[in-house]
Amino acid sequence: DTGVSQDPRHKITKRGQNVTFRCDPISEHNRLYWYRQTLGQGPEFLTYFQNEAQLEKSRLLSDRFSAERPKGSFSTLEIQRTEQGDSAMYLCASSPGTGDTGELFFGEGSRLTVL
Amino acid sequence: GQNIDQPTEMTATEGAIVQINCTYQTSGFNGLFWYQQHAGEAPTFLSYNVLDGLEEKGRFSSFLSRSKGYSYLLLKELQMKDSASYLCAVLDSNYQLIWGAGTKLIIKP
Repeated sequence: DTGVSQDPRHKITKRGQNVTFRCDPISEHNRLYWYRQTLGQGPEFLTYFQNEAQLEKSRLLSDRFSAERPKGSFSTLEIQRTEQGDSAMYLCASSPGTGDTGELFFGEGSRLTVL
Repeated sequence: GQNIDQPTEMTATEGAIVQINCTYQTSGFNGLFWYQQHAGEAPTFLSYNVLDGLEEKGRFSSFLSRSKGYSYLLLKELQMKDSASYLCAVLDSNYQLIWGAGTKLIIKP
């Protein structure tokens, strides 16, 4: 396993369409995070999983956003009825979750453009 | 509220030394991270400080003062490839990472 992978790397969609992103974390990592990042800003926390359990979800996240990690391995982030304000880089990160410093290992990100 | 401040942009010369400062106000503290992020790429880990003092790792060093809510990242012998954004992030009492907006570092020949 060479690291965290995300798919697709780029997605262009029309307003109102649904999009789904996939993240495959480092295989032995228990924690998986989703962040959103816009130009000139730091990553903004969206949600995180400990194994298959979604432990926290940002209050900023509207109910158009949903994330799953059904078997505690890969995760998906779905955005329904996309809006232009959803255009951003969506970053996935993982960490061991036990006995670690909290260092996150990031994927390359999925860039979303909503027209 | 929780807040992390760092300069928006800095410029330095190839071969020189630059210090990027970060001040924070968070609910609890469980460590401070510095990440490097090249344009269009994901952040990559540089350093982690949980105790006061200086941590040195090659050309990069990171300093922490918990009483002052302050950290800096020191980059020596700057190279053109060091042009990137540098993100300061604090792990709060809930073990959530609070991120600064990043400092864009421009290296000139």
